[in-house]
This record gives sequence, C-alpha cells and structure tokens, in this order.
Amino acid sequence: KQEVTQIPAALSVPEGENLVLNCSFTDSAIYNLQWFRQDPGKGLTSLLLIQSSQREQTSGRLNASLDKSSGRSTLYIAASQPGDSATYLCAVKNAGNMLTFGGGTRLMVKP
Amino acid sequence: DTGVSQDPRHKITKRGQNVTFRCDPISEHNRLYWYRQTLGQGPEFLTYFQNEAQLEKSRLLSDRFSAERPKGSFSTLEIQRTEQGDSAMYLCACSRDNQPQHFGDGTRLSIL
Repeated sequence: KQEVTQIPAALSVPEGENLVLNCSFTDSAIYNLQWFRQDPGKGLTSLLLIQSSQREQTSGRLNASLDKSSGRSTLYIAASQPGDSATYLCAVKNAGNMLTFGGGTRLMVKP
Repeated sequence: DTGVSQDPRHKITKRGQNVTFRCDPISEHNRLYWYRQTLGQGPEFLTYFQNEAQLEKSRLLSDRFSAERPKGSFSTLEIQRTEQGDSAMYLCACSRDNQPQHFGDGTRLSIL
C-alpha cells in the first residue's frame, strides 16, 4: 500500500526567501507525481505534474524534482511572496486511477 | 471549460440524517472521482467512475455510502444515517481518460 509523507507539516518564512518542500513515498512504482495548492476552504489547484520518466518540471517560480528510485520529490519555491501562503499537497499515482496524497505542508509567507 | 461544480458548498445536519451531494464535472471528462478530506489531512480516495460505471471503491466507503453517475455526466454521493466521523470535506474530481485530475471546491459536511 502506497504511503506518502510530507515534511515539514508547517512552515513560516519571511517574504523573499527561497524554500523547499519535501515529499516521500514508499512504493516507487509510480506513474506520475503531482503537486497541488489548496487555499482554505477551497479545492485543489494543480501546480506541476511530473511523469515517472521525468526528473523535474518548472513553472514560473516553482520547480519540482522527482527521484523515483529513492521515493522522493521536492517542490522549490523561489522568492516567496505572501500570496504563496497556502497548503501544498503532494500526490502520487500508481496502477489504478486514484491519487494517494500526503498530509500537506501549510506554508505561511510573512510580509 | 467551466470547471468542476459541487453542490452544496456546506451542509450541516444532525447525526442519523441522510445527506446527498452533487458533482457536475467538466463536460466530456469521462472519469469522475470522489475523495474525502478531514481537517489537517490530505484527501483520501473514495470511489471512481468511468462514464456511468463505478469501477473502484475504497474500503473507506462503508455500506452507508453510495455513489451514482447515472448518465455518465453528473454524480451524486449519498451518506445514510450520518455519524460524527463523517464530518469532512467531500471533493469531486474529473479527468479526460488518464489526464490530470481537476478538482472542485468540495462540499463541507458538518454533523451536529
């Protein structure tokens, strides 16, 4: 059974800092890994999707890497802004159609 | 692409009552998923439809839960005889085949 863990559970940083969020998974036989953002009381917004054959994906200030063999992914956020404050969720897709999510990292960027 | 719509946004009910939620997916997205999210946790998979066929069900989906997608378009999730532990956010997602899933804003269920 796939298990996904995200560290840290919460993070508070001053505006402008670069930061790294971590995700680890137990079953390396994944099809893809996805990073989502969730604002309070809202649904999930997809940020980046990395296929199992890829090593990283970039979108603007966000960069996600994947090391499938070690069961790890990182989300790098450059030059953080208060608007980046949200919960960031990592999810993996194995065989089958469901996503398995980590518990999320609650990020607060202080002005 | 008008996004995934869920109704209601918030439902408050007494323990023991039945509740039904609705999800309207993005048009022509043939796959539809239900997830449950409790406070401070990530979403957990409940069930999955391809068109009108329910193809996967989690062990979390007890016999008090039933989901339908009668015409392969909208879906309903019903919870019978609600319990305190059913309090959660219920999220609907959809996808076109094996493409990334798009999520709605969820229905928050509060059991008094």
